[in-house]
Amino acid sequence: GNSVTQMEGPVTLSEEAFLTINCTYTATGYPSLFWYVQYPGEGLQLLLKATKADDKGSNKGFEATYRKETTSFHLEKGSVQVSDSAVYFCALSDLNQAGTALIFGKGTTLSVSS
Amino acid sequence: DGGITQSPKYLFRKEGQNVTLSCEQNLNHDAMYWYRQDPGQGLRLIYYSQIVNDFQKGDIAEGYSVSREKKESFPLTVTSAQKNPTAFYLCASSIGAAGVTDTQYFGPGTRLTVL
Repeated sequence: GNSVTQMEGPVTLSEEAFLTINCTYTATGYPSLFWYVQYPGEGLQLLLKATKADDKGSNKGFEATYRKETTSFHLEKGSVQVSDSAVYFCALSDLNQAGTALIFGKGTTLSVSS
Repeated sequence: DGGITQSPKYLFRKEGQNVTLSCEQNLNHDAMYWYRQDPGQGLRLIYYSQIVNDFQKGDIAEGYSVSREKKESFPLTVTSAQKNPTAFYLCASSIGAAGVTDTQYFGPGTRLTVL
């Protein structure tokens, strides 16, 4: 079945450091891939997405490239800020199973200090 | 503004009580979902609905019930049969159309605490 594995946290960085959060997936069919962010006490917000192989999603300085050959969708940011402190979730959905649930990783907590 | 609203933000329940969590969307989405979030466990699917008057059990449906009488509304009832209901509950919706990327959009969540 479909699954998502992301690196366990917490990830602790200083402001302006480079961020990578690893995400790999297992899927049949044609998955779309997502990164969501959750700030303390809030719901999930869509950060970026990619719908096919070699697509790059980007938003707010974050980027992730859909790599079919390595079944990966790693999240990167060149210079993190304190305001990026949050929990990040990698997820996938199957294009042929619309209206069914997203498959989520367990989340990675990022803590950025000034 | 289009979006998803959940109410209340915080909810306290006594042992043996049923409580209902509200979820409303004005995005004209066909599909709606309920997830439960516990610390360190990510999100787990409780129920989902692809269309009005139809819904499916997710991975952890025991002790919960839902209805989908209107397209914009998908309330979740936590019954007394749910043994450990203290958690953060998230509602989401999506277009739900086959063949297109089905991005889910989330509400702000309801934190339920059993006293």
